[in-house]
Amino acid sequence: SQKIEQNSEALNIQEGKTATLTCNYTNYSPAYLQWYRQDPGRGPVFLLLIRENEKEKRKERLKVTFDTTLKQSLFHITASQPADSATYLCALDAGNNRKLIWGLGTSLAVNP
Amino acid sequence: GAVVSQHPSWVICKSGTSVKIECRSLDFQATTMFWYRQFPKQSLMLMATSNEGSKATYEQGVEKDKFLINHASLTLSTLTVTSAHPEDSSFYICSASEGARSPLHFGNGTRLTVT
Repeated sequence: SQKIEQNSEALNIQEGKTATLTCNYTNYSPAYLQWYRQDPGRGPVFLLLIRENEKEKRKERLKVTFDTTLKQSLFHITASQPADSATYLCALDAGNNRKLIWGLGTSLAVNP
Repeated sequence: GAVVSQHPSWVICKSGTSVKIECRSLDFQATTMFWYRQFPKQSLMLMATSNEGSKATYEQGVEKDKFLINHASLTLSTLTVTSAHPEDSSFYICSASEGARSPLHFGNGTRLTVT
């Protein structure tokens, strides 16, 4: 069956370091993959979208990679700040009707 | 940027009553909106796809008679939880996009508590 896995354990890092979050998927061939940020009690906020023919995408301190052979996306936050603390969700298109399939999310805590 | 407004942000109701949640796209037109439900430490679960001017498409296992969706205009979709029960208590979030395969813009969610 189709499955998306993100780091299940919370990630704790020191301010200024690079945070790396993983999204693995099986039994999919998504045309694109998205990353969102969700704060407690709020709706998700879109961060980055990467297409299957793109290897890497950057936006300010954020970088996303997409390896369709490994069926994996990595999400990096460089020079992390306490304000980056949140849950990060990856989502894949299911290929029809614009539906997205969501991972459980990884909780990131950046310690000052 | 595109903004989706969702109201109310929280509601407490008694078992057996109905609750309406509104979702508006403020600066763009959304022919399609999506309604999600999220339990603590769980993934977003798509409940239904709301289509302007036509019936909503519900996901398997979601009762269409219990979760009524109306998408009367290009900027407004509503979700009504009818005859609410305590097990309906959850975080409901709507979203919309500006086009096919565009990122989703989410409302801030509605925390529903049924007593």
